[in-house]
Amino acid sequence: GAGVSQSPSNKVTEKGKDVELRCDPISGHTALYWYRQSLGQGLEFLIYFQGNSAPDKSGLPSDRFSAERTGGSVSTLTIQRTQQEDSAVYLCASSPQGDSAFFGQGTRLTVV
Amino acid sequence: QKEVEQNSGPLSVPEGAIASLNCTYSDRVSQSFFWYRQYSGKSPELIMSIYSNGDKEDGRFTAQLNKASQYVSLLIRDSQPSDSATYLCAAQGGSEKLVFGKGTKLTVNP
Repeated sequence: GAGVSQSPSNKVTEKGKDVELRCDPISGHTALYWYRQSLGQGLEFLIYFQGNSAPDKSGLPSDRFSAERTGGSVSTLTIQRTQQEDSAVYLCASSPQGDSAFFGQGTRLTVV
Repeated sequence: QKEVEQNSGPLSVPEGAIASLNCTYSDRVSQSFFWYRQYSGKSPELIMSIYSNGDKEDGRFTAQLNKASQYVSLLIRDSQPSDSATYLCAAQGGSEKLVFGKGTKLTVNP
């Protein structure tokens, strides 16, 4: 596909369960971002991958959150022991080196 | 902490007026700046990029950059109700990481 692809588009999970969110960036883009956006709020930075450099994890809100990027392409954001406050839209974006980012359509996570 | 600051608004303008959106950034080494538009329930989409001091025009949109003042703005001429959205400013610094502001909500009233 031509754009950033995220799956699933919607996820409902029970409190305490683990979830995995997937992001397929645009081919050739070296940078990948994960953001979280609660209703009516701004983008909350979570993690940034750039090429082979160590990821910038400074935005991860707790040790329940982790992310990896395999082979410089697909990324998975994992949330362990989900809590109700984790409910939000999780957005992935990718960019070529030194340029603007393009966003996926997001995954809406609801923890019940 | 590298920050991008925007007035959260809301900013309300009548149809046909000029909407002016402002942004300041703290990282002096930032070289690239972007404006994104986000409609309610949708993902942000890139509408303008600017890399050097001065103005850059694209249709009804003009981005302005003043690196000495660490200031970026977006002007929307002949505002339309369809321009009603949240506008996000982003700066790209030495690490090439994009830092976003919280966004300004714009409402254009018919």
